[in-house]
Amino acid sequence: DTGVSQDPRHKITKRGQNVTFRCDPISEHNRLYWYRQTLGQGPEFLTYFQNEAQLEKSRLLSDRFSAERPKGSFSTLEIQRTEQGDSAMYLCASSSAGTTDTQYFGPGTRLTVL
Amino acid sequence: EDKVVQSPLSLVVHEGDTVTLNCSYEVTNFRSLLWYKQEKKAPTFLFMLTSSGIEKKSGRLSSILDKKELFSILNITATQTGDSAIYLCAVSLMNRDDKIIFGKGTRLHILP
Repeated sequence: DTGVSQDPRHKITKRGQNVTFRCDPISEHNRLYWYRQTLGQGPEFLTYFQNEAQLEKSRLLSDRFSAERPKGSFSTLEIQRTEQGDSAMYLCASSSAGTTDTQYFGPGTRLTVL
Repeated sequence: EDKVVQSPLSLVVHEGDTVTLNCSYEVTNFRSLLWYKQEKKAPTFLFMLTSSGIEKKSGRLSSILDKKELFSILNITATQTGDSAIYLCAVSLMNRDDKIIFGKGTRLHILP
């Protein structure tokens, strides 16, 4: 399977714990995006990388959230001191420069904070 | 503030019916409008529209954009139960290819 992959697919954690999610984009794509989607809402942009550079962060991304893409390939999204309001589906997407409108999404990581 | 508004938010029809989903937008520096289908997992790309009045078609699905009136429609003819999904409309912005703004989606349910 050469699509975008995410791991884990589901994560249940207790409030206050830290969690980390991983995204592996399509190999030739240099752009990687993180979105959050809650029930009844469309995906909301969180942050975006071009290669290893993080070029924009949404104001939705509080200080408890951090994302990295150290080698310009896979990316991680870490949430520290999780809160119940962090419960959502976290989607990763990738695209190649020049076709950034067509973002290919991974299956998502569903986070439940108890 | 840039926004994308979809209507209706939910729709239930019988198999074989034709449906029209609406998407209106208010954004600065519009570049393209995109439609995605989301079933139980991640959104899958359907169409990208950049020019007014040119219909994009894929099987029973078609879409058209009106850049003057700032809206798009997605038509599905002869619906099937497999069309049941959330249909997301999104807009990408010129010079801001870092993100896409999504609407809340239309939840479509097709009854057999």
